[in-house]
Amino acid sequence: IVMTQTPLSLPVTVGQPASISCKSSQSLVHSDGNTYLSWLQQRPGQPPRLLIYEISKEFSEVPDRFSGSGAGTEFTLKISRVETEDVGVYYCMQATQFPITFGQGTRLEIK
Amino acid sequence: QVQLVESGGGVVQPARFLRLSCDTSGFTFRSHAMHWVRQTPGRGLEWLAVISHDENKRYHADSVNGRFTISRDNSKNRLYLQMAGLRPEDSAVYYCVRAPSGLAAVDFWGPGTLVTVTS
Repeated sequence: IVMTQTPLSLPVTVGQPASISCKSSQSLVHSDGNTYLSWLQQRPGQPPRLLIYEISKEFSEVPDRFSGSGAGTEFTLKISRVETEDVGVYYCMQATQFPITFGQGTRLEIK
Repeated sequence: QVQLVESGGGVVQPARFLRLSCDTSGFTFRSHAMHWVRQTPGRGLEWLAVISHDENKRYHADSVNGRFTISRDNSKNRLYLQMAGLRPEDSAVYYCVRAPSGLAAVDFWGPGTLVTVTS
């Protein structure tokens, strides 16, 4: 399954919202009824960190300004008000079907 | 808290063998499936393999199938990745990653270990 993210670069002013799109080449609905679409954040020099799983469920200790939505083949990560600590690369990831695949990444920077 | 720490990376010549380890703590290792994922600047994040909590199921990416083998030792809370026939394109940061439940999905990531394949 090919995961395609847009945009690849996202300059945002602190305090403003941001949105990243992710589209999959086929439906991510698993036979068990779940949709295994996650969003990861990778800050500079750090490993990826899980933000959102199963489209919209927030992982532990993730600020509530992060939210996920979507269904089927189209998904969105939204940051309600960007903070300086949000700088990094964001990846969508599907685990509905092996091999697990990732989007190319969206680099968020502060204007 | 959940901790994953990879080791075993380094500089290795092409066609050689290397074994990565991942020491875990802070959770019941034998209850979770585990993954290996690697990352390069050029190819981004690439999933490599997953092993079920009881070792009964293992899946490897086509790109490494037959060369890399995932395994685990539940008595030592440790995950392994045996890599044979290494190629320059296997140079990457290798991450150990926990599956929250079942085989699908991931949650906690280790800091990674760097493997460089060069003559």
